[in-house]
Amino acid sequence: GAVVSQHPSRVICKSGTSVKIECRSLDFQATTMFWYRQFPKQSLMLMATSNEGSKATYEQGVEKDKFLINHASLTLSTLTVTSAHPEDSSFYICSASYPRTGGNEQFFGPGTRLTVL
Amino acid sequence: GQNIDQPTEMTATEGAIVQINCTYQTSGFNGLFWYQQHAGEAPTFLSYNVLDGLEEKGRFSSFLSRSKGYSYLLLKELQMKDSASYLCAAMDSNYQLIWGAGTKLIIKP
Repeated sequence: GAVVSQHPSRVICKSGTSVKIECRSLDFQATTMFWYRQFPKQSLMLMATSNEGSKATYEQGVEKDKFLINHASLTLSTLTVTSAHPEDSSFYICSASYPRTGGNEQFFGPGTRLTVL
Repeated sequence: GQNIDQPTEMTATEGAIVQINCTYQTSGFNGLFWYQQHAGEAPTFLSYNVLDGLEEKGRFSSFLSRSKGYSYLLLKELQMKDSASYLCAAMDSNYQLIWGAGTKLIIKP
């Protein structure tokens, strides 16, 4: 149980285009989903926390107008990278929060590798 | 501030034992997670500790001391496939995960 899917797994796009990444919890309802970015050889960087039916909470330094997050249902959250530029090339990973005793465990999607040319 | 410290890189020999340490400082505490991440892949869950002591799960064990703000991940009978980064993450009072930078474990034959 607690499977999270992410689509697409890889995307290559031209500079200036927008890219949408979907994150789905397949066998549980996730009230909270998280979006991370990871640059090569670095740790995960939390970009935003997304709660179903409300606006996402963005971490300091993350532009909310550039990284649009929509958490439309308890099983789906989307991240749209608008007007992508080469510096946005990164590994984007979502996770969904699954309640467990004493805290909420996060289950990760497989990640989306974005390359902006 | 909130902070997680773990070594950047460790090297061990196939068949041996290795201990990866993690110290943490968080606003409140709701548990300590260890994740394994192979290159180019998303992290996968290894263990969760919220009470002091050692939790054993097959070849992997995780230890927590809340009073010392310290945890370690112990890997026994190392296999080549254990070569990966190991991420320590502490959950704060808001149930947010605070991530360490990860420890890259290199296994040599």
